[in-house]
Formats: sequence, C-alpha cells, structure tokens
Amino acid sequence: AQTVTQSQPEMSVQEAETVTLSCTYDTSESDYYLFWYKQPPSRQMILVIRQEAYKQQNATENRFSVNFQKAAKSFSLKISDSQLGDAAMYFCAYRSLLTSGTYKYIFGTGTRLKVLA
Amino acid sequence: DAGVTQSPTHLIKTRGQQVTLRCSPKSGHDTVSWYQQALGQGPQFIFQYYEEEERQRGNFPDRFSGHQFPNYSSELNVNALLLGDSALYLCASRLQGTEAFFGQGTRLTVV
Repeated sequence: AQTVTQSQPEMSVQEAETVTLSCTYDTSESDYYLFWYKQPPSRQMILVIRQEAYKQQNATENRFSVNFQKAAKSFSLKISDSQLGDAAMYFCAYRSLLTSGTYKYIFGTGTRLKVLA
Repeated sequence: DAGVTQSPTHLIKTRGQQVTLRCSPKSGHDTVSWYQQALGQGPQFIFQYYEEEERQRGNFPDRFSGHQFPNYSSELNVNALLLGDSALYLCASRLQGTEAFFGQGTRLTVV
C-alpha cells in the first residue's frame, strides 16, 4: 500500500523569505502523480502544484517549486518570497491508480506553515 | 461557477444517530469522492461514485454508505454514529481523467 509521510508538523518562515516543506512517500508503482495542497482556515483544499512521476523536470508554479527525487521517493515544496497569505496547512498527496481505472488521493498528515511579519 | 458545494457546513449529532451529508459537484464533473479528515490528520478516502455506482471504497465500515444521483450530486450517509466519526468530511469532484476539486467540507461533531 502507498503511504505519504510529512515529518514536519509545523514550520515558520519570515515574510519574504524561503521555506521548504518535506514529504516522502512509498509506492511500488512506476507511474503516479504527486501533489501539494494548501488548506487555509476556510478548509477548502487548494491545489498548489502537481508533478508527474515520469517527468524528470521539477514542476514550478510562480513562487512554488518542487524538488522531486524519484529514486529517493522524496517530494519537497519550496515557497519563495513567502507572503502572509501563504499561511495554511500544506498536505503532500499521492494519486493512486485504482483497479477500476479511477484513482484516489493519499494524503500525508500535513505541515502547518506560519508566516511571520 | 460555484465549484463544489457541500451542505450543511456544520452539524452536531448524538451517538447512535444517523447523518446525511450532501455534495453538489463542480459543473461538468461526473465523478464524486468522499474523504474523512480527522482533527490533525490528512484526508482519508472513503469511496468514489461514478455513473451512480460505487467504484472503489477505502477502509471504512459498512456504516458509511453513499449514493450518486443522475445529476451527479452525491450523498454520504453514516449510521450508528460513534464519537470517532467526528471529523471534517470533504467531497471532491472531477471529470474522468482530470484532477479533483474539493469542497469546503462539512464539520460533523458527534456528542
């Protein structure tokens, strides 16, 4: 079974600085997707960034980028120029392909990011 | 586009009671999944509905059941509520082959 581990329950970063959130996962599949989701106090899960396992190039979305190390099964999120609005819970997720051809998401336990003014 | 809409936003139930949570998917989406997010945890997959059938199920007891209607909306039913069922219940919708959009969830408290 696939698992996702986030070992940092909480992180803090100064506004305008850079922070990296860590995530490791375990799977025997060769083809899969990895995600970082943001969950603000509004509770809605918002997709931050997506990485396809077959792509060696790390995904980037504006101030958000990932460091994907497939062999090490590591998938970290770097937030540059942190803003107060980045404060939220961040979840690492693995998209598992189910036998029916559909898929489900497997989430880590989350990292609470605090941004200090 | 209203996105994924869930109702109610909060509710409180007593142990042993039954509850029904509702989800209206994003316009154009035909697949609905339900997740349970306990306090301090990540969401856990309950089950997924497509073409009005349960397509896959996570590790949840039969007390958890669901339904999908012809308009793609969905219900999650939980019978014989336990204190441990207290959680945020998230609905996610998508079109086959695309990524999911999540709703804001229903906060269920069992007392």
